[in-house]
Amino acid sequence: GESVGLHLPTLSVQEGDNSIINCAYSNSASDYFIWYKQESGKGPQFIIDIRSNMDKRQGQRVTVLLNKTVKHLSLQIAATQPGDSAVYFCAEKGSARQLTFGSGTQLTVLP
Amino acid sequence: EADIYQTPRYLVIGTGKKITLECSQTMGHDKMYWYQQDPGMELHLIHYSYGVNSTEKGDLSSESTVSRIRTEHFPLTLESARPSHTSQYLCASSGDGRNTEAFFGQGTRLTVV
Repeated sequence: GESVGLHLPTLSVQEGDNSIINCAYSNSASDYFIWYKQESGKGPQFIIDIRSNMDKRQGQRVTVLLNKTVKHLSLQIAATQPGDSAVYFCAEKGSARQLTFGSGTQLTVLP
Repeated sequence: EADIYQTPRYLVIGTGKKITLECSQTMGHDKMYWYQQDPGMELHLIHYSYGVNSTEKGDLSSESTVSRIRTEHFPLTLESARPSHTSQYLCASSGDGRNTEAFFGQGTRLTVV
């Protein structure tokens, strides 16, 4: 079946540095990708999305890069802040119409 | 803030009890979903619905059942709770269109003792 996985379960960065969270997906038919942020005790919140006809999309302090050749997705957070500490999930939508989630990366921002 | 609400937020219940987790959304979304999530782990889809009177099982087998009698309401029921059902249950909804994100509720953390 379809699967989405993350490279690293945990990531620690210094406040003010840039963070890069990676995600690999296996379904070559996936055409829509989303990054979610989940803070402790809360439901996932939408951060940014990207369609397969794009390779880069920028938001406020966040950039998503999509490499369809190697089926890789990354989330870059500029000037990481303490409030960015959370679990980050990538999700993809392919031939199935529901989202498939990866296992998550715990981002910890160090003072 | 997404207009999707789950109740209760926390529930501790004894083995064998019947429980219903409530989920309501005010966005008029046709598509609704239930995910199960253990702490620090990925989300597993257990049920989804594409509209009234439509329900399907997700990727992860679950002993729970769902109903969709009204567009805005998508309750999940466990007829006989067991300790293995202890988990967080997240409800979500999404609008029409292939490329639209899902909005999540705050979740219900269920503990079966």
